[in-house]
Amino acid sequence: EIVMTQSPATLSVSPGERVTLSCRASQSVSSNLAWYQQKPGQVPRLLIYVTSTRATGIPARFSGSGSGTEFTLTISNLQSEDFAVYYCQQYNNWPWTFGQGTKVEIK
Amino acid sequence: QLVDSGGGLVQPGGSLRLSCLASGFTFSSYGMHWVRQAPGKGLEVVSDISGDGSRIFYADSVKGRFTVSRDNSENTLYLQMNSLRTEDTALYYCVRSGGVYWGQGALVTVSS
Repeated sequence: EIVMTQSPATLSVSPGERVTLSCRASQSVSSNLAWYQQKPGQVPRLLIYVTSTRATGIPARFSGSGSGTEFTLTISNLQSEDFAVYYCQQYNNWPWTFGQGTKVEIK
Repeated sequence: QLVDSGGGLVQPGGSLRLSCLASGFTFSSYGMHWVRQAPGKGLEVVSDISGDGSRIFYADSVKGRFTVSRDNSENTLYLQMNSLRTEDTALYYCVRSGGVYWGQGALVTVSS
């Protein structure tokens, strides 16, 4: 099973800042990496797939990069609605696995 | 749209069947997944089934206890859960392949 490790566990930031979330895979997942956003009491929302492609309706301030085992999600000009938990997920090898999440909280 | 149902409280060792009714798309054209989330925890993909039901995968944590199936004539996905354990307590989501569309979740609580 591929283990996905996200860092940091928590990020305390102010609105308007730029944040970078990291996700590392225990072995290569090629570009088969997605990012999800989850707010309390809500269903996860797909942000990014195939490492860097934004899902429909996702603002351009969200961007993804990386390949192989190292990936990043960058949120520029953080908005109030962006405070949430973010998960990366690999879907290159079954079982598809998620990272443990990074919580982006208000500083 | 995906509507999950069938959750509830069950004792350890018991069984439960979840359903996911799909609408608004050609159900048989899409693989479907069940993803669960224990209270306050992260996400775990439990099962995957292809559009025609010919290819099925399970996470090791549920293999031999859970069975995923689908009825394309009824646009419905199922998850039969047997020999339930306390660690199976979670919100169970059905998800359409691609990750965009999720059900609202069905809460399964395994407790004596």
